[in-house]
Amino acid sequence: EAGVAQSPRYKIIEKRQSVAFWCNPISGHATLYWYQQILGQGPKLLIQFQNNGVVDDSQLPKDRFSAERLKGVDSTLKIQPAKLEDSAVYLCASSELAGDAWKEQFFGPGTRLTVL
Amino acid sequence: AQSVSQHNHHVILSEAASLELGCNYSYGGTVNLFWYVQYPGQHLQLLLKYFSGDPLVKGIKGFEAEFIKSKFSFNLRKPSVQWSDTAEYFCAIPRAGTNDMRFGAGTRLTVKP
Repeated sequence: EAGVAQSPRYKIIEKRQSVAFWCNPISGHATLYWYQQILGQGPKLLIQFQNNGVVDDSQLPKDRFSAERLKGVDSTLKIQPAKLEDSAVYLCASSELAGDAWKEQFFGPGTRLTVL
Repeated sequence: AQSVSQHNHHVILSEAASLELGCNYSYGGTVNLFWYVQYPGQHLQLLLKYFSGDPLVKGIKGFEAEFIKSKFSFNLRKPSVQWSDTAEYFCAIPRAGTNDMRFGAGTRLTVKP
């Protein structure tokens, strides 16, 4: 079974530039998550989609971050403009439809972003 | 709000040593707790989980964790570590009623051959 795919794996940009990350979840997984993992910290949820609708984006810095999940499959996360503190690994995860019961999340390899 | 804390940032052990990584949670209600592992160059993956019942839960690769409600703890243990256990270990707790995982800062384990 194919896992969660993410691209690019690495990205280096200058501050104030924009960047986009792409995620392809496991086939059939209705729920998709984007996490930010800053060096030395655990992953922090940025946004959760259920199919193509947003379930939770309370921790997404909406002045510069945006995400979409068109057609309920692939998702993109964008940062515009980037700041130095956005340097982190951005993880995508997916799970079966997460309703009342807990569903295991499967993580992708992440995209390591460096903002100079 | 639900959260977990891990006090050991980096643990270095020799092969065959016993392992215990600490995890404390802050929530007084029904608790579900998890340990995740990230091997070098690999994806974050689930190691074990606790929902209810037997407070001693067993996971993959010989790991186990014990839920002690009176101590708000869910420590990860392994009787004898191997070099291949070198990884980063994260304790996690979901926000109540959601699949939103709250992770601890992680503990980096280095096992010397």
